[in-house]
Amino acid sequence: KAGVTQTPRYLIKTRGQQVTLSCSPISGHRSVSWYQQTPGQGLQFLFEYFSETQRNKGNFPGRFSGRQFSNSRSEMNVSTLELGDSALYLCASSPDGGGYNEQFFGPGTRLTVL
Amino acid sequence: GENVEQHPSTLSVQEGDSAVIKCTYSDSASIYFPWYKQELGKGPQLIIDIRSNVGEKKDQRIAVTLNKTAKHFSLHITETQPEDSAVYFCAASRGGSRLTFGEGTQLTVNP
Repeated sequence: KAGVTQTPRYLIKTRGQQVTLSCSPISGHRSVSWYQQTPGQGLQFLFEYFSETQRNKGNFPGRFSGRQFSNSRSEMNVSTLELGDSALYLCASSPDGGGYNEQFFGPGTRLTVL
Repeated sequence: GENVEQHPSTLSVQEGDSAVIKCTYSDSASIYFPWYKQELGKGPQLIIDIRSNVGEKKDQRIAVTLNKTAKHFSLHITETQPEDSAVYFCAASRGGSRLTFGEGTQLTVNP
């Protein structure tokens, strides 16, 4: 099976712009979660989508949003970019997101905000 | 909310030695404890996990132990090899997709 794929792998934006990142989960996986990874804060949970619905949300401002499509592919959007949004954004998929939930990560999208 | 602390932040060992990384968690409702390995330029890779109803789990050179009373869990790597060099993260979850990660341990295996 192909793994989790994320596009694009690298992005450079300027403050105030918005950005959309894409994630394709492992075939058959219905849950997609997003994480932000920075040197200072480590890996932090953003949100999870399951069956096109946001099921769980971390402690990030409303500028961070996402959605999931009927084929389980997911996008996340960050509006009004700030310098502090520079990070590696990771997507993880799992079969159903419940119970003992093995999650598999993609390679990430490296976002740089100038 | 859940807090996971991980020690040490850096660990250097000689090839063939053992490496141990320790984590503590705060939420007694946590039931799932995965360990991830992250190599440079890649996403975290699940290497082993343990459930709250199990005290120890082993997979070849890698083992994980869990002490629910003390809220501790540890990763043990035996017979380390240079390709084990990476950043290792522990995590905890109440079940479901929300993982709380430790700060990471940079493991270096010297040939």
